Amino acid sequence: EIVLTQSPGTLSLSPGERATLSCRASQSIISYLAWYQQKPGQAPRLLIYGASNRATGIPDRFSGSGSGTDFTLTISRLEPEDCGVYYCQQYAGSPPTFGQGTKLEIK
Amino acid sequence: EVQLVQSGAEVKKPGESLKISCKGSGYSFTNYWIAWVRQMPGKGLEWMGIIYFGDSDTRYSPSFQGQVTISGDKSINTAYLQWSSLKASDTAMYYCARLGLGGYSYGDYWGQGTLVTVSS
Repeated sequence: EIVLTQSPGTLSLSPGERATLSCRASQSIISYLAWYQQKPGQAPRLLIYGASNRATGIPDRFSGSGSGTDFTLTISRLEPEDCGVYYCQQYAGSPPTFGQGTKLEIK
Repeated sequence: EVQLVQSGAEVKKPGESLKISCKGSGYSFTNYWIAWVRQMPGKGLEWMGIIYFGDSDTRYSPSFQGQVTISGDKSINTAYLQWSSLKASDTAMYYCARLGLGGYSYGDYWGQGTLVTVSS
């Protein structure tokens, strides 16, 4: 099973700042990586698939990069509604697995 | 508009059986896989298994094999997750998700979740 490790565990930033979230895989997953945002009491929402492709309706403030084992989700200009927990998920191996999440707090 | 609507919250006792549902609309149900994902209280997301309605192919993550049964009825665009004998450790939110690209891929649309509480 492929293990995904996300860092940091918690990120606290101000509106307008840039957020950088990391996801590292235990082995190469090429570009088979997705990112999700989950707000309290809500289902996850797909942000990025294929490591760098924005899902439908996702603002261009959100961008994904990386390949192999190291991936990054960048939110260029934080807005208050960006708070929540962000998960990465790999789908290169069976079963697909999720990272443990990064909690993003907006000051 | 693609929608996945899940059945309502359940409160059960240990040892009881349960079947929850996920009804899809707004897309061709038989062309996509559906995944079930568990989220225990205060924890992260866990991939349980998937089903493809084109041929009823079903696959389970090793951690959930033998613990749950995934099924579906393509005549009513509905996927199911069931337990024959619940345990307290099955208490969790359960989400269904449409997979955007083949069997093992990402969830592009998600249901609202079904909260299952198992308590004596």
